[in-house]
Amino acid sequence: GAVVSQHPSWVICKSGTSVKIECRSLDFQATTMFWYRQFPKQSLMLMATSNEGSKATYEQGVEKDKFLINHASLTLSTLTVTSAHPEDSSFYICTSAGSTDTQYFGPGTRLTVL
Amino acid sequence: AQSVTQPDIHITVSEGASLELRCNYSYGATPYLFWYVQSPGQGLQLLLKYFSGDTLVQGIKGFEAEFKRSQSSFNLRKPSVHWSDAAEYFCAAILTGGGNKLTFGTGTQLKVEL
Repeated sequence: GAVVSQHPSWVICKSGTSVKIECRSLDFQATTMFWYRQFPKQSLMLMATSNEGSKATYEQGVEKDKFLINHASLTLSTLTVTSAHPEDSSFYICTSAGSTDTQYFGPGTRLTVL
Repeated sequence: AQSVTQPDIHITVSEGASLELRCNYSYGATPYLFWYVQSPGQGLQLLLKYFSGDTLVQGIKGFEAEFKRSQSSFNLRKPSVHWSDAAEYFCAAILTGGGNKLTFGTGTQLKVEL
């Protein structure tokens, strides 16, 4: 299957700072990427759909000004958590969507806000 | 509303025993169906998927799943479980033509007793 990477894999930051998470599709061009968050021992919840060259589409209840998504190229999407607070601590996972409705998952980024 | 249900939160089986993880979906039409596995602190790995055709789908690591339209189910099975199969398993669905948005079940935690 396709390879998707995320960087960093683990980040700890102070409350009030911003954190950028990168998602890269390494071996195919992804016009669409998805960002999910997963709280401990819970399922994945879709946050937003990231479309190359256009604004991201956010799911209901997700603050677009807090979770900034940029999809500047066909292989890179970034999620920036602005003014992070402890309640933003979570596991953030990105996926790249191929042409066959199959999503390829990145390894995830563990964010801990102190 | 479209949903994916995994009735079993936890399942414990003995190594070598057979396994069946349940998944039901609620969609107006037959969605694309997936099973993913997640090891602790890791991203998700695709085990198998069903789009159309043969209702018995073979996946990686010896897993298979059977789509049953009459029961709106897509249960995951393995004839003989290995200790390394202990993980969290997620069933997920995409509505055909629904823009690749995955809806996840709540997950089933599998524990394997030696």
